[in-house]
Amino acid sequence: GENVEQHPSTLSVQEGDSAVIKCTYSDSASNYFPWYKQELGKRPQLIIDIRSNVGEKKDQRIAVTLNKTAKHFSLHITETQPEDSAVYFCAASKEEYGNKLVFGAGTILRVKS
Amino acid sequence: DSGVTQTPKHLITATGQRVTLRCSPRSGDLSVYWYQQSLDQGLQFLIQYYNGEERAKGNILERFSAQQFPDLHSELNLSSLELGDSALYFCASSVGRQADQPQHFGDGTRLSIL
Repeated sequence: GENVEQHPSTLSVQEGDSAVIKCTYSDSASNYFPWYKQELGKRPQLIIDIRSNVGEKKDQRIAVTLNKTAKHFSLHITETQPEDSAVYFCAASKEEYGNKLVFGAGTILRVKS
Repeated sequence: DSGVTQTPKHLITATGQRVTLRCSPRSGDLSVYWYQQSLDQGLQFLIQYYNGEERAKGNILERFSAQQFPDLHSELNLSSLELGDSALYFCASSVGRQADQPQHFGDGTRLSIL
């Protein structure tokens, strides 16, 4: 089945700097790649997603890029703020698995002010 | 607020017991998913229902079962509970059954087994 690897496991950046989190997936048939932000004790919150027919998507300070050939996708956060501190999860899904999301292990992002 | 409602928020019980977790999806959503989040296993897919029927199954234990009712709410039943079942259980919902539809999560039920 699908396997999603996420790096790094922890990331510390200075406020205002950029943060990049990378994920690789194993199944080339996966076609949907969402990113979730989870604050301590709260629910995963969808922040951006990308479908396999698109190479890049942007929403204000957040962007996601997808390289289908290399089977990896990345989350880019620019001008980081303390409130960006959270755990970020990437995920992948494809039709054959129903809609189940296979999650990466998560990245703890700390933004230092 | 995601629009997905889960009850109860917290559940404390003992080994060997049985509990039921409830989820109401967002208005208009036909798919409901259950996920388990633990420190050692991360976020794991358990099961998906679409419009009352089971659509996909993940690593769900035989002691666990779920169903989706005609009003689209779903229940996850956990029986013969073990210490290792302590975790956060999330429900998510999406509009349809396609793999590329966004899933929105509820606030979860924190299950503690003593």
